[in-house]
Order: sequence, then structure tokens, then C-alpha cells
Amino acid sequence: AQKITQTQPGMFVQEKEAVTLDCTYDTSDPSYGLFWYKQPSSGEMIFLIYQGSYDQQNATEGRYSLNFQKARKSANLVISASQLGDSAMYFCAMREGSNFGNEKLTFGTGTRLTIIP
Amino acid sequence: GAGVSQSPRYKVAKRGQDVALRCDPISGHVSLFWYQQALGQGPEFLTYFQNEAQLDKSGLPSDRFFAERPEGSVSTLKIQRTQQEDSAVYLCASSKEGGYTFGSGTRLTVV
Repeated sequence: AQKITQTQPGMFVQEKEAVTLDCTYDTSDPSYGLFWYKQPSSGEMIFLIYQGSYDQQNATEGRYSLNFQKARKSANLVISASQLGDSAMYFCAMREGSNFGNEKLTFGTGTRLTIIP
Repeated sequence: GAGVSQSPRYKVAKRGQDVALRCDPISGHVSLFWYQQALGQGPEFLTYFQNEAQLDKSGLPSDRFFAERPEGSVSTLKIQRTQQEDSAVYLCASSKEGGYTFGSGTRLTVV
């Protein structure tokens, strides 16, 4: 089974609208972390937001928020007031285990987001 | 430096040629990771170092792939006898206290 599933290969959204990118995950480890990265055409992976499995509240970072539904094993990224510069590939990733920085990330296949002016 | 630096940015290799990809992590970052990203796919884990120790190399696809980090700083990913299926972007990331910083990657094309 896939550890990270992103079911939307591509999305087109009007500028200034909100957009939700889906991510579901699969793990039996009670301690895990979920990450979202943005990858523009330049290729660099840019960190957006992090949610720990024991965090009580959904993570927020500026225009980014993470809709964490632990029982459903979903961690959807919500981008509010989308901008043209948000056009990029978006990857959901998971770290299993509790040792920060010492565990590999498992990535999904990504969603290509295109913002339409 | 301020970020993770990878070189070269682009590499074209003839099939059968050996290549070496370099990663300069953020100073002080203990952990270093290599990932392989095929076209249109998400990054896939190759190997992980903590300082100079290679603690996990389970993602290396074959014994043609070799990575080292002899002084616990700069790392080199070496691919021997390159094949067409090795064509991909190779990403390096360094980490400290839970945050991962990625480089821009090396795009390897095997012709």
C-alpha cells in the first residue's frame, strides 16, 4: 500500500480563490510528522507547513493551513487567497518515528497547481 | 552557506560513464539525505547520513550507487556505469532538529 496518496494530478484555480490539495497517509507508527512542500520549476523543494501526529491543533503558516483529520488519516493543504506565484508542484510527505531529523521522508506523487489570472 | 548547495546543476553522461554528484549541506546540520526524483514523480529516498556515518542505504537501487560523507560535511553520490534509467533529478537535503532544507538538485541525463 502507498504510504502517501495524492489523488489530484493537476488542479486549475482562479486567482484569489482558496484551494485544497488532498493527501492521505498510511502508517502504524503512533508518532509521525506530515509535511507539505512546494516545488517550482526551478526544482528546489520549499517547506510550507508541518503537522505532528500529537499536535492538538491544525497547523497554520500565513496563507497555508493543514486540515488534519487523524481518524481519517488525511492531511489536506489549504491555500487561501491564491496568487499567481503559487503555481507549482505540491508534495505531501511523511516522517515516521520520533527522532527529528533522523528519519527519511516518504513523498506522494504530487499535485500540479496552476493559478489562472 | 545559507542553503544546501548541489553541483553540478546539470550533468549529461554517456551510458556506461561514471558520475559524481556533490552536496554541500548547511553548516552544522548533522543529518544529510539523498533522494532521486524521476520525471513527474515524487522524490524517493536513497540514503541517509548522520555526521560521517551512513545509517541507512536501503534506497540505493543497485550496487552501482555509492555515497560518502567522509568528514561529516560535504557528501558525494557516485553512480558507476550509468544507465538510462538513472536519468533523474538527485536532491540532497540536510536537517537539524526536525527541519529539512533541500538543495536545487542535480539533473542527470544519461544518453
